[in-house]
Amino acid sequence: GQNIDQPTEMTATEGAIVQINCTYQTSGFNGLFWYQQHAGEAPTFLSYNVLDGLEEKGRFSSFLSRSKGYSYLLLKELQMKDSASYLCAVMDSNYQLIWGAGTKLIIKP
Amino acid sequence: GAVVSQHPSWVICKSGTSVKIECRSLDFQATTMFWYRQFPKQSLMLMATSNEGSKATYEQGVEKDKFLINHASLTLSTLTVTSAHPEDSSFYICSARGTGEAQPQHFGDGTRLSIL
Repeated sequence: GQNIDQPTEMTATEGAIVQINCTYQTSGFNGLFWYQQHAGEAPTFLSYNVLDGLEEKGRFSSFLSRSKGYSYLLLKELQMKDSASYLCAVMDSNYQLIWGAGTKLIIKP
Repeated sequence: GAVVSQHPSWVICKSGTSVKIECRSLDFQATTMFWYRQFPKQSLMLMATSNEGSKATYEQGVEKDKFLINHASLTLSTLTVTSAHPEDSSFYICSARGTGEAQPQHFGDGTRLSIL
């Protein structure tokens, strides 16, 4: 079966760095997406990785290792507004998105 | 770029009413649009995938006669919840994907539906 695993909840301090991990087992791979979803709102697109390595976009970076079926989202200089759920989603061989359950990130002052 | 507009944002109506939700891609052509449902503190649940000009593909367990989807143009898809009941109350979110399958989905702001 297809499976995406990510931690349910994480807590971090304002100004710090946090890494949210995602492991996956899917039938085929056409890329991995990270989305941010604030409570009561729709998800917003953060990043897309299809090749191994690190993609940096401002305070957010996303890493992919296809051989390990592993990705992480790295958030630097955390701000209170970063409190949200972070969704990992993998596109399988049929170009269907398989969604993780999301990681709720709580930022404390 | 990649803006998706979803309307209405909130709907409160009586049981038995049919509700139509619109999803528009404002600055790109959406070959494929997706409809999701999300209950509080739960994951996104894909309901159906629609391609412009063809019938929607529904996920297992989603009643196609209950949730009517029309993808009439490359910028508009509609979801109609027919004869809505309180158990249909949920957060409905659409997303749109441009040309090319390995493209991100861009989400509308969602519609919060409450059936009394």
